[in-house]
Amino acid sequence: EVQLVETGGGLVQPGKSLKLTCATSGFTFSTAWMHWVRQSPDKRLEWIARIKDKSNNYATDYVESVKGRFTISRDDSKSSVYLQMNSLKEEDTATYYCTTILTDWGQGVMVTVSS
Amino acid sequence: DIVLTQAPLSVSVTPGESASISCRSSKSLLSSKGITSLYWYLQKPGKSPQLLIYRMSNLASGVPDRFSGSGSETDFTLKISKVETEDVGVYYCAQFLEYPLTFGSGTKLEIK
Repeated sequence: EVQLVETGGGLVQPGKSLKLTCATSGFTFSTAWMHWVRQSPDKRLEWIARIKDKSNNYATDYVESVKGRFTISRDDSKSSVYLQMNSLKEEDTATYYCTTILTDWGQGVMVTVSS
Repeated sequence: DIVLTQAPLSVSVTPGESASISCRSSKSLLSSKGITSLYWYLQKPGKSPQLLIYRMSNLASGVPDRFSGSGSETDFTLKISKVETEDVGVYYCAQFLEYPLTFGSGTKLEIK
């Protein structure tokens, strides 16, 4: 059974940092391209980052609104993908999903940025 | 960025009837390889999105054949035949032609 479990969310003040972790199992993580997608309180879905596999040099891509603030990374030995979020803004408040973008999605983790 | 515009915002359907959802792209989603990179997802209440249709018209594994996708390079339709109560939720279209990947704003399906 495929599982993706996100952790690390919570309430954080503007300007602070948070790191999300997505632990996976049940599929060949090392060859999978992994993504983070977030869903704002008004239910809009926004793709925010992708990391390719080793054969593609772990190349990354980001949506413009998070470039320079968020970093996606992975540890194939732990079948895990991460999202380091710095300089958080109130508009980053959302539920964050780890996903292979097609078939497999985590349950999501909430991040609230508020003073 | 490619903008996807969905309509209607919401639809209310009697069980057994059909429903159609439109998705219009600001750019052709037909790739040089002849693949139309338009996808449809359903997010049921309290759940994560689940893939329904990939590459405009292909049914994802385990999805009932009541669902079908069609379209051209920029205009797409998701049709649900004989709607059932389990079909309630928000339907999103998405494009995977280029980064950043983008989603439509969603269409909420309710049962009358």
